Amino acid sequence: SQKIEQNSEALNIQEGKTATLTCNYTNYSPAYLQWYRQDPGRGPVFLLLIRENEKEKRKERLKVTFDTTLKQSLFHITASQPADSATYLCALRMNTGFQKLVFGTGTRLLVSP
Amino acid sequence: SQTIHQWPATLVQPVGSPLSLECTVEGTSNPNLYWYRQAAGRGLQLLFYSVGIGQISSEVPQNLSASRPQDRQFILSSKKLLLSDSGFYLCAWSVEANYGYTFGSGTRLTVV
Repeated sequence: SQKIEQNSEALNIQEGKTATLTCNYTNYSPAYLQWYRQDPGRGPVFLLLIRENEKEKRKERLKVTFDTTLKQSLFHITASQPADSATYLCALRMNTGFQKLVFGTGTRLLVSP
Repeated sequence: SQTIHQWPATLVQPVGSPLSLECTVEGTSNPNLYWYRQAAGRGLQLLFYSVGIGQISSEVPQNLSASRPQDRQFILSSKKLLLSDSGFYLCAWSVEANYGYTFGSGTRLTVV
């Protein structure tokens, strides 16, 4: 069966450290992968998109890697801040049929001062 | 600028009552529109999507239906709510394949 797995346990880190979140998937052939941030009681906010032929994408303090052989994406936040505390969702967009997004369950990040 | 409006923000409805959630998009034409549901501690589940007026695709069999009476309006409905319909309902739109989705602020539905 198709699965998108993100660590269900919260990730606790100290301010200034790099946070690394993992997204693993099975039985998908995504055209690309996206990362979203979701704050409690709010809709997700789009952060980054990386295509299947790209290895790495950066945006300010954010970095995403995409390994289609390992079927894994890593999401890094460098110099983390308490304001980065949120749930981060990965989502896959298929390259067949209607290109809908399928979301993982998300990982909660807590950055302590 | 492009915005998405979703209302109401919270809703408490008795079992067996009808439901109507509305979503409207501004600043774009012919968007793809989506309804997702997020249950507590779970991921976003795609319920319906629409590529044009009157065109609705359902992802999962359920007690809900969707309609798109206008290009930038998407409505989620139910004739009789079940307890299991409780959750956080999110509307979203997209235009280009290479861009992310834009989500509304969501509706927290509690069926009692």
